Amino acid sequence: DIQMTQSPSSLSASVGDRLTITCRASQSISSYLNWYQQKPGKAPKLLIYTASSLQSGVPSRFSGSGSGTDFTLTISSLQPEDFATYYCQQSYTTPWTFGQGTKVEIK
Amino acid sequence: QITLKESGPTLVKPTQTLTLTCTFSGFSLSTSGVGVGWIRQPPGKALEWLALIYWDDDKRYSPSLKSRLTITKDTSKNQVLLKMTNMDPVDTATYYCARSARSGTYSWMADYWGQGTLVTVSS
Repeated sequence: DIQMTQSPSSLSASVGDRLTITCRASQSISSYLNWYQQKPGKAPKLLIYTASSLQSGVPSRFSGSGSGTDFTLTISSLQPEDFATYYCQQSYTTPWTFGQGTKVEIK
Repeated sequence: QITLKESGPTLVKPTQTLTLTCTFSGFSLSTSGVGVGWIRQPPGKALEWLALIYWDDDKRYSPSLKSRLTITKDTSKNQVLLKMTNMDPVDTATYYCARSARSGTYSWMADYWGQGTLVTVSS
């Protein structure tokens, strides 16, 4: 299985901050990397697919980049509704695998 | 509008077989480039991908659980079933079904999710 490692596991930030979350794959996955946001008690929501494509309806403050083994999710200006847990997921090959999650908390 | 909803028992006993149903609307599982998968999340833990069935009936499983899982579809009823045998307390989790869609030639993502159903394994 391809292992996905996110960093950091958690962070505290303020509204308006620029935020970057990193995801590293244990082998090259080309650009087959997706990002999801999950709020407590809710299902995950797709934010970014194929490393950098913004899912319809997702605010433009979210962006993704990377290819091969290293990827980033950036939130340009953190909003109150962005406090959540973020997961990366590779779809290069089954079994699809997720990172362990990055919890973004209010500072 | 695409929706998915999971249904099944909320409590199962150890060694029993769990059967979950995902009932969906707004898309067809006979359309090329579409699949429905199952993902679970133990309380307070990360997401774990379990299985996926494609429009052409190709099926993929998590290797660590493959011997215990069976995924099937009923296209006429817009349903996907997941069976998991020999349930154990460590299988206690929220189970989600999600539509998987292909973008371009090879890129896949889970773009619509059900609300999830919490399954507790306890005697």
